[in-house]
Amino acid sequence: QKEVEQNSGPLSVPEGAIASLNCTYSDRGSQSFFWYRQYSGKSPELIMSIYSNGDKEDGRFTAQLNKASQYVSLLIRDSQPSDSATYLCAVNLYSGNTPLVFGKGTRLSVIA
Amino acid sequence: SQTIHQWPATLVQPVGSPLSLECTVEGTSNPNLYWYRQAAGRGLQLLFYSVGIGQISSEVPQNLSASRPQDRQFILSSKKLLLSDSGFYLCAWSVGGGADTQYFGPGTRLTVL
Repeated sequence: QKEVEQNSGPLSVPEGAIASLNCTYSDRGSQSFFWYRQYSGKSPELIMSIYSNGDKEDGRFTAQLNKASQYVSLLIRDSQPSDSATYLCAVNLYSGNTPLVFGKGTRLSVIA
Repeated sequence: SQTIHQWPATLVQPVGSPLSLECTVEGTSNPNLYWYRQAAGRGLQLLFYSVGIGQISSEVPQNLSASRPQDRQFILSSKKLLLSDSGFYLCAWSVGGGADTQYFGPGTRLTVL
């Protein structure tokens, strides 16, 4: 069974701190990795994608990918209360025209 | 730019009643389309996906069905709803042909009483 695993949380961080969200996946051949943010009662929205080993930065967000360890993470710098949400990791575990596999999400709470 | 619509936004239905949820995408051709369900406090469950008109792949056997009568229209149906069908139903699309970034619609919140 191919899987994407995330700690369900809640992860609580103080305002202004760095929040670190982690995700592991089962298929070493996976090529595409995504982070989505979902506010309570709303649909998921794409934060960023990453395809190559290393770091990718977009504003306060940094995605980190380590294919050898089958690990992808999302760092949120200068966390704000508005970052409080559930963060979903998604991976293309299968080749070809197939859906992403989503983790169950990590709930982040930023405390003012 | 591309836009995805879902309706209705909320729905309250009695057990045993039928269901029809609609999703349409604008601004793209031949998208891949997906239906997910998210029960309260749970993760996303992929229900169906489609890579073209009339082509539906079912991920979970249950009392739901999906159809794609037009290129950018995806419909989720049931003949008789169960209490366990309550949840947040999300439609998503991605560019067809192997590109995999998925974009979600606003969702339909279904309560079965």
